[in-house]
Amino acid sequence: TQLLEQSPQFLSIQEGENLTVYCNSSSVFSSLQWYRQEPGEGPVLLVTVVTGGEVKKLKRLTFQFGDARKDSSLHITAAQPGDTGLYLCAVRGVDTGRRALTFGSGTRLQVQP
Amino acid sequence: GAGVSQSPRYKVAKRGQDVALRCDPISGHVSLFWYQQALGQGPEFLTYFQNEAQLDKSGLPSDRFFAERPEGSVSTLKIQRTQQEDSAVYLCASSLETESNYGYTFGSGTRLTVV
Repeated sequence: TQLLEQSPQFLSIQEGENLTVYCNSSSVFSSLQWYRQEPGEGPVLLVTVVTGGEVKKLKRLTFQFGDARKDSSLHITAAQPGDTGLYLCAVRGVDTGRRALTFGSGTRLQVQP
Repeated sequence: GAGVSQSPRYKVAKRGQDVALRCDPISGHVSLFWYQQALGQGPEFLTYFQNEAQLDKSGLPSDRFFAERPEGSVSTLKIQRTQQEDSAVYLCASSLETESNYGYTFGSGTRLTVV
């Protein structure tokens, strides 16, 4: 069982559509990060959410951390082809003292022009 | 440098061959991580250094995998007697990593194909 379950696994939409992807867990986290990874590149940090219920906006991207700090969502408004990529959620320090990130398996988004 | 640099970008190895993958972290970044990313999956943790000390190697899949960071900057991940299941992208990340802020910067990775 994955610690972080991301859904959907794949999403193909037309330019201009809205979408939401999810990151769920049965565990409580002190914080959660979202990354975007383009083909042939490493993941790039988009946002860190820390407080339960927190909402952060990054241009057309809206990130929310669940009230219970067990889940998070990423909403994209009016998707553009440049939004294409693998969206990963990640948490740190799952085990005591561990500083490494644990990632979900990602949502692969393709935005068709 | 401005970012995390990894070399080579691509490596094809014959099964049984030894390989060495290099990571140049951002100057001054204390923490360095190695991850393995299989096709269609998220990255999975391999090992972690704080300066030259390897503090966590719990993710290394077998004793064929070895990592070092002798002077606390450049790191090398070595895989001995490569197997087909070692085929993956190997990502390096570095971080300043204070307790309150943990921004990780990833390199572009090395794609290893074992044939």
